[in-house]
Amino acid sequence: GAGVSQSPSNKVTEKGKDVELRCDPISGHTALYWYRQSLGQGLEFLIYFQGNSAPDKSGLPSDRFSAERTGGSVSTLTIQRTQQEDSAVYLCASSSRDRVFEQYFGPGTRLTVT
Amino acid sequence: AQSVAQPEDQVNVAEGNPLTVKCTYSVSGNPYLFWYVQYPNRGLQFLLKYITGDNLVKGSYGFEAEFNKSQTSFHLKKPSALVSDSALYFCAVRDRAGKSTFGDGTTLTVKP
Repeated sequence: GAGVSQSPSNKVTEKGKDVELRCDPISGHTALYWYRQSLGQGLEFLIYFQGNSAPDKSGLPSDRFSAERTGGSVSTLTIQRTQQEDSAVYLCASSSRDRVFEQYFGPGTRLTVT
Repeated sequence: AQSVAQPEDQVNVAEGNPLTVKCTYSVSGNPYLFWYVQYPNRGLQFLLKYITGDNLVKGSYGFEAEFNKSQTSFHLKKPSALVSDSALYFCAVRDRAGKSTFGDGTTLTVKP
């Protein structure tokens, strides 16, 4: 079956512009996660959605970052007034209610802020 | 706050030799521990997990990991390394609320 998909795969934007990154989780997966992977760095947790519960936003680095999950499926990560330090690969993952401990990752969106 | 440490940025082994990629963790309560692998130009893949039960956990591609509560470690192991095992490996810990914390990753290079 289809895995987690993310779009766009690459995004180049000018400093100060807003960007939206999209994640389509595996159908039926109730949990969705966003991470950031900077060059040479590990994974940095950003936000976690679980069903209809309030999302865990504790990893968002600033108020320029926000995320929504509509209808319990597709999620959009929005970065406003992008900065060069926002350049990274943004990864989305999802997991099912039955196998909540196994996260399936998308291919990521490589964001470059010039 | 929970944390994960992967003390080695890089591990080099010869093909056919055993490999170990180290991971230590800090978490309140019982740990949920994971290993993920990231092959070049590919996404992260789940390798194995420890939730409860036997301390030795077997996963994909012949990998296993040993949970050691007293040493708060969860080292990844494989008895005989393959060149195709060369990749970036991440250890992760998850809390009861579902939030996962990943280590900085260890690059494994297996040389023929």
